[in-house]
Amino acid sequence: DIQMTQSPSSLSSSVGDRVTITCRASETISIYLNWYQQKPGKAPNLLIYAASSLQSGVPSRFSGSGSGTDFTLTISSLQPEDFATYYCQQSYGTPYTFGQGTKLEIK
Amino acid sequence: QVQLVQSGAEVKKPGSSVKVSCKASGGTFRTYDISWVRQAPGQGLEWMGGMIPIFGTTDLAQRFQDRVTITTDESTSTAYMELSSLRSEDTAVYYCARALPNFFDSWGQGTLVTVSS
Repeated sequence: DIQMTQSPSSLSSSVGDRVTITCRASETISIYLNWYQQKPGKAPNLLIYAASSLQSGVPSRFSGSGSGTDFTLTISSLQPEDFATYYCQQSYGTPYTFGQGTKLEIK
Repeated sequence: QVQLVQSGAEVKKPGSSVKVSCKASGGTFRTYDISWVRQAPGQGLEWMGGMIPIFGTTDLAQRFQDRVTITTDESTSTAYMELSSLRSEDTAVYYCARALPNFFDSWGQGTLVTVSS
């Protein structure tokens, strides 16, 4: 199975900050990397697919980059509604696997 | 936009089975992959398996091969996930999600399954 490792596991930031979360795959996955946001008690919500494509309806402050094994999710200017847990997921092959999550908290 | 509505919470005894449903509206149900993802309390996301109704094929994570059955009923646009031989570690929220096919763009609201004696 492809292992996905996110860093950091948790992060404290302030409204207006620029935040970057990284995700590393245990083997090359081309651009088959997706990012989700999850708020407590809710289902995950797709933000970015194919490493850098913004899902319809997602604010442009979210962006993704990377290919191969190393990927990043960037939030250019944190808004109050962005405090949540973020997961990366590889879709290069089954079993699809997720990172362990990055919890973004208010400083 | 596809909407997925799941069945309600369940409480089960160890060793029993649970069957969770996921009813879709919008889109063409028979052509897209419905996957099942679970999340244990306070934990991350785990893909269990998926099915493409038009092909009738199922792809399961190896650790669930002998305990999970995924089926669909095209007449009602409903997918089902049955998990057998339940143990306490199976306590989790179970989500269905549409895969397109390489990302999950629509999710059900989740079904909490509690396994307790």
